[in-house]
Amino acid sequence: DAMVIQNPRYQVTQFGKPVTLSCSQTLNHNVMYWYQQKSSQAPKLLFHYYDKDFNNEADTPDNFQSRRPNTSFCFLDIRSPGLGDAAMYLCATSRDPGGVHSYNEQFFGPGTRLTVL
Amino acid sequence: AQTVTQSQPEMSVQEAETVTLSCTYDTSESDYYLFWYKQPPSRQMILVIRQEAYKQQNATENRFSVNFQKAAKSFSLKISDSQLGDAAMYFCAYRARNYGQNFVFGPGTRLSVLP
Repeated sequence: DAMVIQNPRYQVTQFGKPVTLSCSQTLNHNVMYWYQQKSSQAPKLLFHYYDKDFNNEADTPDNFQSRRPNTSFCFLDIRSPGLGDAAMYLCATSRDPGGVHSYNEQFFGPGTRLTVL
Repeated sequence: AQTVTQSQPEMSVQEAETVTLSCTYDTSESDYYLFWYKQPPSRQMILVIRQEAYKQQNATENRFSVNFQKAAKSFSLKISDSQLGDAAMYFCAYRARNYGQNFVFGPGTRLSVLP
């Protein structure tokens, strides 16, 4: 089945130790998103790629970076995790919103829960 | 800027009963999409139902239906014959049709289903 896969599902890191989260998709969608979600809150968009065009949200900390080496894969790098970065990180994909006859909804991965010690 | 409001942080419903979750949004766009997503505890977010703004007919998906009032910018979700598996956070989301427009999520409503 076509899907969005995130690895690992659980990640534990130490304060200040860099960590990389990965996302892959078999949907061939050209838009990929990274969200941060804290308990019982709405997902907060960090950035998104439209193809290789990177779009950073204005309030995304510099501590967060992303790479998209090809259509299928996208990575979230946290350079120096702080305690406040402990959260669920969601990857999502969608098609071009301008597409005809398509709702272009987002498809979400299962998330990576990050713990910072 | 577009905003999405869900005025009910928590709701509860008795099993087999009907519940309605509220959502309002603010936009100057005329062409957009609206979605309801469900996120069960510790589980994946999945799409429940969707609506295109230019379609006047309310969307339905089995026990789930919406009441879309474009002029009032309201998009409520009705769950009929509630089941224990419906317990989850429900997020209302908006997306303009134009390129580059991201999804805007509401703050969510936590739905509990009582046996």
